[in-house]
Amino acid sequence: DIVMTQSPDSLAVSLGERATINCKSSQSVLYNSNNKNYLAWYQQKPGQPPKLLIYWASVRESGVPDRFSGSGSGTDFTLTISSLQAEDVAVYYCQQYYNILYTFGQGTKLEIK
Amino acid sequence: EVQLVESGGGLVQPGGSLRLSCAASGFTFSGYTMHWVRQAPGKGLEYVSGISGNGGSTHYANSVKGRFTISRDDSKNTLYLQMGSLRAEDTAVYYCTRASGEEWLLPFDYWGQGTLVTVSS
Repeated sequence: DIVMTQSPDSLAVSLGERATINCKSSQSVLYNSNNKNYLAWYQQKPGQPPKLLIYWASVRESGVPDRFSGSGSGTDFTLTISSLQAEDVAVYYCQQYYNILYTFGQGTKLEIK
Repeated sequence: EVQLVESGGGLVQPGGSLRLSCAASGFTFSGYTMHWVRQAPGKGLEYVSGISGNGGSTHYANSVKGRFTISRDDSKNTLYLQMGSLRAEDTAVYYCTRASGEEWLLPFDYWGQGTLVTVSS
């Protein structure tokens, strides 16, 4: 299985500041045939199901604010929130869909400082 | 509007069985691969099982293989998860989720609210 490791496990950021969450996969999730990274980011607020934010590592899902961005390739990826808002308090998960043994990172809890 | 509504969760004894359902609406159900993902209390997300759009192909996590069976009834727009030989470690909220198309290697773009399964004596 591809192991997804996120860092940090938790993060406290001031309102309006930048938040950065990292995700590392144990093997590359880049398909050379189409040059796509099979990596998604999800946001889960307390008591709610996960919500898709980013797919193909950097494509924002429809309706997701543009303060959310994804970057990276191969084995190292980053989710950035450019200016933290109160409603962004949540747990964030990365996921690989490079193979059908889909795996998620352990989650990063984002709080307001 | 895409909606996924799970039902069937509850308290079951170890070794028992339970069938979860997921009623889908707002999209052409037969055209999408569907999955179940679970989340143990206070824990992260764990993939459970998936089924292709035509139902011809299924996949299971090693942790549930041989004990769980996924199926779908496209005439009823409903996804199922038949769970057997349940263990305490199967206790979790089970989410029904849709792949963003008919292929397997796609992100999960819609999620239901989940149904809680508790395995305890």
